[in-house]
Amino acid sequence: EIVLTQSPGTLSLSPGERATLSCRASQSVRSNYINWYQQKPGQAPRLLIYGSAKRATGIPDRFSGSGSGTDFTLTISWLEPEDLAVYYCQQYEKSPFTFGQGTKLEIK
Amino acid sequence: EVQLVESGGTLVKPGGSLRLSCEASGFTFSEYAMNWVRQAPGKGLEWVASISDSSNYIFYADSVKGRFTISRDNAKNSLYLHLNSLRADDTAVYYCARVYFLFDSYYYYYMDVWGKGTTVTVSS
Repeated sequence: EIVLTQSPGTLSLSPGERATLSCRASQSVRSNYINWYQQKPGQAPRLLIYGSAKRATGIPDRFSGSGSGTDFTLTISWLEPEDLAVYYCQQYEKSPFTFGQGTKLEIK
Repeated sequence: EVQLVESGGTLVKPGGSLRLSCEASGFTFSEYAMNWVRQAPGKGLEWVASISDSSNYIFYADSVKGRFTISRDNAKNSLYLHLNSLRADDTAVYYCARVYFLFDSYYYYYMDVWGKGTTVTVSS
């Protein structure tokens, strides 16, 4: 099983700041098989990034993804209050198609 | 509008059984693989099961293998999850999600449409 470890567990930043969220895999994952999801309080998850770096439809360009091998990053270049959410990485390299435990983003 | 609507969640006793349903609309259901993903109270997302468009390929998380069964009826645009031998740690919101497959020099798989979820509570 591929274990995804996200860090930090919680990130507290102010509007306008830059957020960097990490996802580390227990074994190498091809970058086209890493996805990122955003889950706002009380809502279902929403796709943000697929293939480690491709923004999903309607996602603002403040959100970007990068990485390869075992280290992947989600960056929010300019935080808005509505970015308050938990962010999950997920791999589709092999079953079970695991998620990371999530990073909770708090907006000060 | 592309939509997924789950139903069937309820309170059930340990050891009991349940069937969850997910009704799809707004897209050609038979062309997409589908997933079930769950979220225990206050916890993160856990992938549960996947089924390919024609049901030829099925995968399960180890935590539910042998107890849960994923199935679909393309004529009814519906996805199902049969839950047996339920335990307290199966208590969760269960989401169905569409799997989008894209080939653009590389293969991409991702869950692009999610339902709002249905709540299963396992308690005596």
